[in-house]
Amino acid sequence: DVVLTQTPPTLSATIGQSVSISCRSSQSLLHSNGNTYLNWLLQRPGQPPQLLIYLVSRLESGVPNRFSGSGSGTDFTLKISGVEAEDLGVYYCVQSTHAPYTFGAGTKLELK
Amino acid sequence: QVQLKESGPGLVQPSQTLSLTCTVSGFSLTSNSVHWVRQPPGKGLEWVGAIWSGGSTDYNSALKSRLSISRDTSKSQVFLKMNSLQTEDTAIYFCTIRLFAYWGQGTLVTVSS
Repeated sequence: DVVLTQTPPTLSATIGQSVSISCRSSQSLLHSNGNTYLNWLLQRPGQPPQLLIYLVSRLESGVPNRFSGSGSGTDFTLKISGVEAEDLGVYYCVQSTHAPYTFGAGTKLELK
Repeated sequence: QVQLKESGPGLVQPSQTLSLTCTVSGFSLTSNSVHWVRQPPGKGLEWVGAIWSGGSTDYNSALKSRLSISRDTSKSQVFLKMNSLQTEDTAIYFCTIRLFAYWGQGTLVTVSS
């Protein structure tokens, strides 16, 4: 099974600060169809997860453009350019290139 | 609009079988795969399994010996059955579609005697 390693596990930020989260895969997430199925989710307390980014870098409809995703192969990054209070929660990367699908362990974003 | 809603027993005794239902609306099960994801209290997300648009299934490697996912397209329902439940299976169980773009609110399953 693919293992996704997320770092850091916890991130402390001030409002307006830019932060990045890393997600590294134990094998390439490039599918034979040419797509790379790596998504980023945000889960706020008491809520189901929300899709932010799909196919590495595509912004889900309605998600603010301060969120961006990048990467290829086995190394991926989520960047938040100017953290806002509503961004606090736990961020997960998830791969859907290889079954069984797998999630990263999560990165908790909290206020400094 | 797309909606998903999980339902289940809430409390299950150890060694018993869990049965959950995901009732969907706003899309067709024959055109979309439905996935189950679970989250133990205070912990991260775990992919449980999926039923694809064609009706085939895939399961979490650690759970596949105890797990079955099926559907009734006429009722727009997807079913999860897991046997030999243990306390470690206590979790919120979510159903989700379209590469995790849409989620139900989840249903809490507690395994306890």
